[in-house]
Amino acid sequence: GQQLNQSPQSMFIQEGEDVSMNCTSSSIFNTWLWYKQDPGEGPVLLIALYKAGELTSNGRLTAQFGITRKDSFLNISASIPSDVGIYFCAGRGNAGGTSYGKLTFGQGTILTVHP
Amino acid sequence: GAGVSQSPSNKVTEKGKDVELRCDPISGHTALYWYRQSLGQGLEFLIYFQGNSAPDKSGLPSDRFSAERTGGSVSTLTIQRTQQEDSAVYLCASSLVQFTEAFFGQGTRLTVV
Repeated sequence: GQQLNQSPQSMFIQEGEDVSMNCTSSSIFNTWLWYKQDPGEGPVLLIALYKAGELTSNGRLTAQFGITRKDSFLNISASIPSDVGIYFCAGRGNAGGTSYGKLTFGQGTILTVHP
Repeated sequence: GAGVSQSPSNKVTEKGKDVELRCDPISGHTALYWYRQSLGQGLEFLIYFQGNSAPDKSGLPSDRFSAERTGGSVSTLTIQRTQQEDSAVYLCASSLVQFTEAFFGQGTRLTVV
């Protein structure tokens, strides 16, 4: 089945630093999504990407859909303490059958921001 | 409500008892997912429902776990003969298949004592 590798697993940064994390897939994806999960909450969608090469920004967040359709990255600029949380990538490929339309999630990146 | 609703928000049960966790997806969403998340860990896929098609059950960890989706809407995840290792947060998400964004509920925190 489709697999996603997300890295790094965790990051410890100082407030104001930029952050970058990425996901790679063993197969082609048609869509990439990035989520953030705050403690005690469900994941919340940050950015959605639908076309290879697409670069999308949402405030201090920027994400790109890799041209090979097998990877995506998320950048956070000028980090602040409230950026703390777990970030997940997710993708949807061409799987059929019972997996048609199914989203696959990465393992998550735990971000800690020191004031 | 407008979002995905899960109940109960917290559940404490004794080892060996059965539990049922409920998910009310966003109205009109044809796809529904269940995930399990241990403390500080990633999302472990359990089961995926898509419209009237047979569900993808490939993530269910044992035959003690089962899920139903009645009328293409509400879903119930059942864990029989609970074990301590079943303690986790169980998250439900729903989406329109033709649009890929999935929206999550707040989760049910299950503690087996």
